[in-house]
Amino acid sequence: SQQGEEDPQALSIQEGENATMNCSYKTSINNLQWYRQNSGRGLVHLILIRSNEREKHSGRLRVTLDTSKKSSSLLITASRAADTASYFCATDEDGNNRLAFGKGNQVVVIP
Amino acid sequence: GAGVSQSPSNKVTEKGKDVELRCDPISGHTALYWYRQSLGQGLEFLIYFQGNSAPDKSGLPSDRFSAERTGGSVSTLTIQRTQQEDSAVYLCASSKADRAHGYTFGSGTRLTVV
Repeated sequence: SQQGEEDPQALSIQEGENATMNCSYKTSINNLQWYRQNSGRGLVHLILIRSNEREKHSGRLRVTLDTSKKSSSLLITASRAADTASYFCATDEDGNNRLAFGKGNQVVVIP
Repeated sequence: GAGVSQSPSNKVTEKGKDVELRCDPISGHTALYWYRQSLGQGLEFLIYFQGNSAPDKSGLPSDRFSAERTGGSVSTLTIQRTQQEDSAVYLCASSKADRAHGYTFGSGTRLTVV
């Protein structure tokens, strides 16, 4: 079954605003990762947060992880038109060999 | 190579024909994964290779699907007797064994079965 159900599914914002996406999962994890996909092609790894971490930053990205609630959020600050893409969370589950991906969030940043 | 390379980038085939999709992972990445993504959907796991271990084939949707990885490097995903529901983007990814830095994906093969 698919882990990592993102919420909301689609988000439209003005350039310069912040975009926040949430992801929930169901099992115990080693880490949680966020990926970006442009034009339905290959995914690009953005950031990884380990199960013993609560918050992580990378440039304009901020990721939080709450293992008690089995949820994560991705914040993109000061959004740009180039941030328009689909964003997926993926969980690296205990005892599993691969990442489980959610269905993704479509983010549209209007110039 | 510098990235994960997949070929062809697009493939149109007639229903009932066999197709082969190729993936060339990053040199030194021992783990290789195939995923499938249907239009507007998330990624569906297909198969996983790790070094010389037996592959994890638990995600293959039917016995028409098979994959091999030769010499621990290049992988080929084969779909026999293609059906229209096989139409999707097939994504390959590779990683180091510990997956500590995430996956590196190829650009995918868009398969259309007509």
